[in-house]
This record gives sequence, C-alpha cells and structure tokens, in this order.
Amino acid sequence: KNQVEQSPQSLIILEGKNCTLQCNYTVSPFSNLRWYKQDTGRGPVSLTIMTFSENTKSNGRYTATLDADTKQSSLHITASQLSDSASYICVVSAGNDYKLSFGAGTTVTVRA
Amino acid sequence: DTGVSQDPRHKITKRGQNVTFRCDPISEHNRLYWYRQTLGQGPEFLTYFQNEAQLEKSRLLSDRFSAERPKGSFSTLEIQRTEQGDSAMYLCASSLWGSGSNEQFFGPGTRLTVL
Repeated sequence: KNQVEQSPQSLIILEGKNCTLQCNYTVSPFSNLRWYKQDTGRGPVSLTIMTFSENTKSNGRYTATLDADTKQSSLHITASQLSDSASYICVVSAGNDYKLSFGAGTTVTVRA
Repeated sequence: DTGVSQDPRHKITKRGQNVTFRCDPISEHNRLYWYRQTLGQGPEFLTYFQNEAQLEKSRLLSDRFSAERPKGSFSTLEIQRTEQGDSAMYLCASSLWGSGSNEQFFGPGTRLTVL
C-alpha cells in the first residue's frame, strides 16, 4: 500500500527562526514528490516538485530535499514569517501520475 | 482569477438532505479531480474525469455520491441523504494531462457541515 508519513505532526517556531519538516514514503513506482502549503480553509498550493533525479529544489525561503534511495524528503523553511503559518503536505505521485498519495501534513505555527 | 474555483465555499445542511457542489477548473485543463479532506488529514481521492469521461471512482465514493462533468468543463459533486460522516472539506483540482508536468492545481474547497 502506498503511504506517506510526515513528522512532526505540528510545530511552533518564533518568527525569523528556521525549521525542517520530514516526509517518508513507500510509494512505488515513484514518479515525483511535491510539497504543498495549505492555509486554513484553503486548497493546497504547490511549493516544490522533485523527480527521481533531483535531490534539492528551492522556492524562495523554502528548500526541499529528496533522497530517493531512503525514500525520504525534507522541507526547510528559512527565516520564518508569520505568513508561513499553515499546513505543509508532502504528496507523492506514483507511475501513473494522477493518483496522488498525500501525507497528513505538518501544521506550522509561527509566532511573533 | 484564472485558477480553480468552487462553489459554495461553505455549506451547512441537515442530515438526510441532498447537497450539490460545483467546480470550475482552469479553462484549458482536461482532467478534473475530486478529493475529500477531514480535519488533520491529507486529501483522499474520490474520483476524476478526463474531459467528460469519469475514469475512476474510489471505494470512498458510496452510492450516495455522484459526480458529473457533462461538457468536459465544470463538474458537480452531489451527495444524497447526507450523513454526519460526510462532514469534510471537498476539494477539486484540475490538470492538463499530456503537458509533461501534469501538476494538479487545487481549488479553495467547499466545507460541508452536516448537522
């Protein structure tokens, strides 16, 4: 069964600090991995996408890494801002690329 | 706004009533997906369309659920005889299949509360 597990479930950080979110997956065959940001009451918005051959991808203050051998990914948020408060969801696509496997998300709260 | 739109954004209904949600995808996108998301969980796949054809339905989609995309553009998701367990966020997404990235773009969702 394709599974995506994220940790921690939630975290609180002070504005300006960095944090790292983890994602482990067992999806096979692997096509790509995306990190989405979901604000409360909104739909998910894509932050980064990585294929098998990519091991890092940045989008502003967001940097994602991928280790396809260990099937792990991380999302690093640098110099956090209050607007970073959201749920961050790791999404893995299998070979057919339309059936997505979603993690439960990590809820990040940034405090002033 | 040229993104995916959904209507209504919120729906409160009594158990046993029927509800219908609408999704308008990004105009040139040929695939449209429906997901359900409960609090603290990631979205779960319900069904998807390529143009007007419904190609797959999840086992989560009971007989009380029906989705249509009659002209290959907007889609509706109807829930008949709603139950309290149907309370969730219903997300719609669209993608351009065959474009290479096949990225799914999500709408803002419809929050359903069944009393």
